[in-house]
Formats: sequence, structure tokens, C-alpha cells
Amino acid sequence: AQKVTQAQTEISVVEKEDVTLDCVYETRDTTYYLFWYKQPPSGELVFLIRRNSFDEQNEISGRYSWNFQKSTSSFNFTITASQVVDSAVYFCALSPGTASKLTFGTGTRLQVTL
Amino acid sequence: SQTIHQWPATLVQPVGSPLSLECTVEGTSNPNLYWYRQAAGRGLQLLFYSVGIGQISSEVPQNLSASRPQDRQFILSSKKLLLSDSGFYLCAWSVGSYLSSYEQYFGPGTRLTVT
Repeated sequence: AQKVTQAQTEISVVEKEDVTLDCVYETRDTTYYLFWYKQPPSGELVFLIRRNSFDEQNEISGRYSWNFQKSTSSFNFTITASQVVDSAVYFCALSPGTASKLTFGTGTRLQVTL
Repeated sequence: SQTIHQWPATLVQPVGSPLSLECTVEGTSNPNLYWYRQAAGRGLQLLFYSVGIGQISSEVPQNLSASRPQDRQFILSSKKLLLSDSGFYLCAWSVGSYLSSYEQYFGPGTRLTVT
């Protein structure tokens, strides 16, 4: 069975602070994929990133960066210099390599204030 | 570019009434289609997925059913709604073979309240 744990239910930061959202996963598959999605107040999930289990290189996209560590089964997401527009619920998800079936974590609500 | 539509955006229905939620995708052919439910304060739960017309797989036993009458149309239905069916319903699509794991793109969702 697959499982995704996002232990941080809610995080509040002041604009321009850096913030890291934690994601820990469990799977018996040797090939799997990890995802991050953003859910703004409008409700629609926005795809942010997809990584496969064989690619442990960290990735940076603008103010966003992701740290994938297989040894600790973690796929953490950092927002640098946070902005009010980053306020949303962020979901980490896991999918086996052989089927497009996402298992989501319960999400982390990020509140960025001025 | 591809777009995904869902309607209605919000719905309030009494217990025991029928349900029909519709999802359509534009700009792509033969997509994989998915229905998820998000209960308040919780993550998303996959309800159904479809790899082609008339092909539906159910992930959890429940009061709901799904159909795919056309390539880019996915419908979520119920004959008699329960209070526990309340939630935020999201439709999603992905490209490629179902046997590979591509990212899914989500629609705007339908917020269903069963009273």
C-alpha cells in the first residue's frame, strides 16, 4: 500500500520568509513518481512538479525548489522569499510507476501575510 | 491548449435525490479521466478512472457511479444521495498510457452539499 504523510497541517509565515513543506512517503515499488500540487482558494489543483524515483537531483524553478531524498523517503518543497500569492493548500502525491493512480497526502495550508 | 470543464460549480441537493456531475476535456484525444472527492480538511480520494470510452474502474465501493459516453466526457452519478456524499468533486485528465505515471490536470471542481 502507498501512503503520503504531510505532518504540517498549517504554516503561517510573513512575506519574504522562506518556508519548507515536508512530505514523507511509503511505497514498496522500486519505480514510483512523486508530485506536488497547489490548491489556491478557488479550489482547482495546479500541477507543480513530477519526479521519478530514479532522479534524486534537486530541482529549482524560480522561487520554488524541491529536495528528494530516497534514503529518508522524503520529497520536501521550499518556497524562497514567500509572497502572499503563495497562500494555498499544498499537496504531495505518490503514484506507482506502472499506473497513473495518485495517492495524496492530507495537505499543508500555507498562509503568507504582509 | 487543453482545458477541462466541470459543471455545475456548486450544487445543493436533498438526501435521496439523484446526482449528475459532468466533466469535459478539450484539446486532447483519448485522455485518461479521473474523478476525485475531497472531504473538508482532507486530501483527495480517487473514486473512478477511465482509460477509454465505456471503460470505468472503481477505486472504492460507494453510492456513486461513473460513465464515459464519449472520448472526452466523464460523468459522475448517483441514484440516491447520502449525507456522506457531500464534498468537493474534482475531475482530472492525463495523457499517455495508464500504465505510466504522468501528471494529472484538474478541473475547477464541483462543491456538493447534501442536506
